[in-house]
Formats: sequence, structure tokens, C-alpha cells
Amino acid sequence: EPEVTQTPSHQVTQMGQEVILRCVPISNHLYFYWYRQILGQKVEFLVSFYNNEISEKSEIFDDQFSVERPDGSNFTLKIRSTKLEDSAMYFCASTAGPMETQYFGPGTRLLVL
Amino acid sequence: QKEVEQNSGPLSVPEGAIASLNCTYSDRGSQSFFWYRQYSGKSPELIMFIYSNGDKEDGRFTAQLNKASQYVSLLIRDSQPSDSATYLCASHSNSGYALNFGKGTSLLVTP
Repeated sequence: EPEVTQTPSHQVTQMGQEVILRCVPISNHLYFYWYRQILGQKVEFLVSFYNNEISEKSEIFDDQFSVERPDGSNFTLKIRSTKLEDSAMYFCASTAGPMETQYFGPGTRLLVL
Repeated sequence: QKEVEQNSGPLSVPEGAIASLNCTYSDRGSQSFFWYRQYSGKSPELIMFIYSNGDKEDGRFTAQLNKASQYVSLLIRDSQPSDSATYLCASHSNSGYALNFGKGTSLLVTP
């Protein structure tokens, strides 16, 4: 069964450094999403992406964040200058169309020191 | 602020019993609702989705939706220790892109 994959599974970085989290969505899916979950808190929407454009973003997704589909398979989330409070699990998800069930990748655990 | 509310629990049920998980939502315009299961340190895993008022059954799971009361529930029949996890309720935003999640209810099924 096709699934969303994410790399790396864990990332440790120093405050102020840039990080890029990578996702490979399910192959025939066209809509891509990033969510984060701070330890002990709820899953929070960051951004959705379709047709090489952001279709929706939350208040969390400020100028420090960006997303890109650099090729036909990868979908990336970049955090330009990480803060301590960016420490969280970051989940990628994808769907074939809008309003469809979102299938989540295994996540990247980001720790900012 | 459009919220999805869940009792954090923990909800403890004996093996073989029915577990009942509840969720309320504030956005009357929400059309679709999802139940995900999340084991500690893992990603959300879809259990069921429901769009229409009433009940929807899938194996041991039944989702119930009452749009008038803005209430969604998940029943787990014949609960097993492997069902012990956090259950997340989510609804789509009006745009249809973002999922709004509740904080989740922790379920513990005791042997």
C-alpha cells in the first residue's frame, strides 16, 4: 500500500540554523500538507500546497517557514532560523484531491538546542 | 477560533468492553470529520471518516455524527489492549485543506 515517507526521522540543530525537512507524498497525490505537534500538545496545521502554490496557511507559518516541491516527488519544509519553540514532530500528509482523507507520514522529530 | 474539543482522559475500559470517545466542534460549517489513532511517538493513523448525520460502521468501530448538536463520537466494540492509544478527532476547515484537530483522548484498555 502506498505511503507517505519523511526524512530524516530525527534532526537535532542549533538555534538559528536552517533546517529542511523532506517528504515524499503518495505518488498520484496532488495536495500536500505540513503539520506539527509540540510534545504533549495537539496536531497543528501549518500549510497546504497545490499546483506549486500555497493554498492555505496558518498563523504559525510565518516568514521563517517556506515550502517547495523541488522535483516531481519531494515536498520540503524549510525553517530558516530555528527557534527553541520550533522543537516538535513535523508531519507531512497528502491527498489526491481537496476535502479528502489525509494520510500522514511517520514524522520528523526536530530538536532545537 | 474554530475549535474541536475532546476530553483528554485517560479513559480506562476493560478488555472486551465498549469504549466511547466523544468530540464537539464549534464551526457549524464543518462538513467532514475524521478519527485518527495515535500511538506515542508515532503519526496519526486514520480510523474512520464521516460526512453524514447518523452512524457509520467499520468492523469494531462505529462513528456517529450529529450536526445539529455539533457532536461526533467513536465507539470501539470488543476493546483490545492494542487499542490503547490517543484518539484524535479532526474536522476540515471551510477551505477543505486544513484539518483542525482536537487534543485527543487517551484510551487505556486493561486486560
